[in-house]
Amino acid sequence: DTGVSQNPRHKITKRGQNVTFRCDPISEHNRLYWYRQTLGQGPEFLTYFQNEAQLEKSRLLSDRFSAERPKGSFSTLEIQRTEQGDSAMYLCASSPWTGLNEKLFFGSGTQLSVL
Amino acid sequence: KQEVTQIPAALSVPEGENLVLNCSFTDSAIYNLQWFRQDPGKGLTSLLLIQSSQREQTSGRLNASLDKSSGRSTLYIAASQPGDSATYLCAVRTQGGSEKLVFGKGTKLTVNP
Repeated sequence: DTGVSQNPRHKITKRGQNVTFRCDPISEHNRLYWYRQTLGQGPEFLTYFQNEAQLEKSRLLSDRFSAERPKGSFSTLEIQRTEQGDSAMYLCASSPWTGLNEKLFFGSGTQLSVL
Repeated sequence: KQEVTQIPAALSVPEGENLVLNCSFTDSAIYNLQWFRQDPGKGLTSLLLIQSSQREQTSGRLNASLDKSSGRSTLYIAASQPGDSATYLCAVRTQGGSEKLVFGKGTKLTVNP
């Protein structure tokens, strides 16, 4: 068990560029969640996957955002045409789905700065 | 819409003191409430999960209680240590379709040696 891994740890980009983040969940965890956290705020839900199926998307996930989880393993989160308001910590979490009282394991996040 | 509030936003205490962090939520129809710890620039670590049918959970020096009907939870930390310094977040999973966690903004705790 090596924990949830997120890459890169930090990303600095210019407004209008596309960025992609990767999350590697704990092996055999079939649930994977993406959250976004801005300074001084709690994490906000973006989307989640059960295996390779994307089951829920927040209204925060505009059409510039897309997430995938091919083969139900790692996941990517892409932001197209980045805006300064996208600057945040993007957190990934996984769980071995055991029901609604599941325990989530979070990665260390990817800190995005849009200049 | 579920809203979660945490009071105080920040707390500074001397080492050894017992302390209580508060969390309130507006919709009492929840599956569970969780307390997390977050160190600066890091992800979240789950501390305690209280199911809706439970009143409290304990882990070491931590004790979390839940009063679902009044929409309140407390996290009690006994004999605080400098290593307890972190931001503590509570989150609820609400009944009714979405499986997301709704988080509060957290309480930033500083334990002074």
